[in-house]
Amino acid sequence: SAVISQKPSRDICQRGTSLTIQCQVDSQVTMMFWYRQQPGQSLTLIATANQGSEATYESGFVIDKFPISRPNLTFSTLTVSNLSPEDSSIYLCSVADSFKNIQYFGAGTRLSVL
Amino acid sequence: QKEVEQDPGPLSVPEGAIVSLNCTYSNSAFQYFMWYRQYSRKGPELLMYTYSSGNKEDGRFTAQVDKSSKYISLFIRDSQPSDSATYLCAMSAGQTGANNLFFGTGTRLTVIP
Repeated sequence: SAVISQKPSRDICQRGTSLTIQCQVDSQVTMMFWYRQQPGQSLTLIATANQGSEATYESGFVIDKFPISRPNLTFSTLTVSNLSPEDSSIYLCSVADSFKNIQYFGAGTRLSVL
Repeated sequence: QKEVEQDPGPLSVPEGAIVSLNCTYSNSAFQYFMWYRQYSRKGPELLMYTYSSGNKEDGRFTAQVDKSSKYISLFIRDSQPSDSATYLCAMSAGQTGANNLFFGTGTRLTVIP
């Protein structure tokens, strides 16, 4: 399985600021994803990060709030903009093994917004 | 109705017990079934992966899929304190399953020494 490094592991941010989360994979992967995990809820897919084109966002998530970059096949960033306390959550990146139809996850970024 | 239903627990068992974790689903197209283990402050770690119906065993862990009942289970034998974690079921359908996973909410398990 791929080794996924996600940074930062946690952060505390002020309302109105932004946080950029990085996801680095040790091998080239076609599909990378960003999820949000809130207490007591399922993992919620934010978007699919596409290399060389705009990310594909799920219903309820917009590019202005969650801009994503995917400059190559091993790296992606997720920015959470104009932070509010409601954005306090765990954010996870994952990569897909298309042959097995499974995903592998990074360790996550725990965000707290004051 | 949610695509995937999972009892959130929490579930507390003594060390050595057999643990049964379950999920039900509504979409008959699901063919790929996964169990992830998530320790506190960590990302989900793939534990078991099963295609279609049947059982799969890996050490103390057995994954079971009953597609006729739309029901999947994870059994943990001889449970250990190190098994204390949240267990998430996930599933996907068809050829594009890798980019369309549906997750349960997770069951928090505590194994008491």
